[in-house]
Amino acid sequence: AQKVTQAQTEISVVEKEDVTLDCVYETRDTTYYLFWYKQPPSGELVFLIRRNSFDEQNEISGRYSWNFQKSTSSFNFTITASQVVDSAVYFCALSERGTGFQKLVFGTGTRLLVSP
Amino acid sequence: GAGVSQSPSNKVTEKGKDVELRCDPISGHTALYWYRQSLGQGLEFLIYFQGNSAPDKSGLPSDRFSAERTGGSVSTLTIQRTQQEDSAVYLCASSPPGLAGNNEQFFGPGTRLTVL
Repeated sequence: AQKVTQAQTEISVVEKEDVTLDCVYETRDTTYYLFWYKQPPSGELVFLIRRNSFDEQNEISGRYSWNFQKSTSSFNFTITASQVVDSAVYFCALSERGTGFQKLVFGTGTRLLVSP
Repeated sequence: GAGVSQSPSNKVTEKGKDVELRCDPISGHTALYWYRQSLGQGLEFLIYFQGNSAPDKSGLPSDRFSAERTGGSVSTLTIQRTQQEDSAVYLCASSPPGLAGNNEQFFGPGTRLTVL
């Protein structure tokens, strides 16, 4: 069965600190996609990144970077030099070929609080 | 362009009443999804529509829940005989045509349902 675990319920940092949000997943499928979404206080989920299971290259986008390691079934998300606007709940999610890639299974989310 | 819209934004109802939640997907998006976000349960998949294919209803929690998608566009999620445990934010998402798994799901702002 597919499962996504985000063990960190809440993280508090001070602005300009680096922070890493952990995501561990379980799947029996060899072909799958991993996602990160941001949910700011307004409530609307915002897509951040999609990574397929065959692409283990790390990705950097501005202050955001993602570390995908199949060996440990992890897809961690790092924010460098955090800002107050980064405060939000961040969700990691998984979709499998077995379900046609259409069903997103979400972790329980990590609430990030960035204080000035 | 316009994003996914949902109405109402908030709904308060009494236990035992029926409710209808509406989702307007992004124009041209062929896939539509309903998720539920509740305390303690995180984000759960409910149902998925793709074009004219039969919907994937595997996430609906009980037969009190049903959904329709008329004309391949607007969708309505109906909850009959609401219970207090139905209280949650109901999120709708849509995605464009294309290879499954390559598509980002665009989320609406959600409908917050409170059952008294």
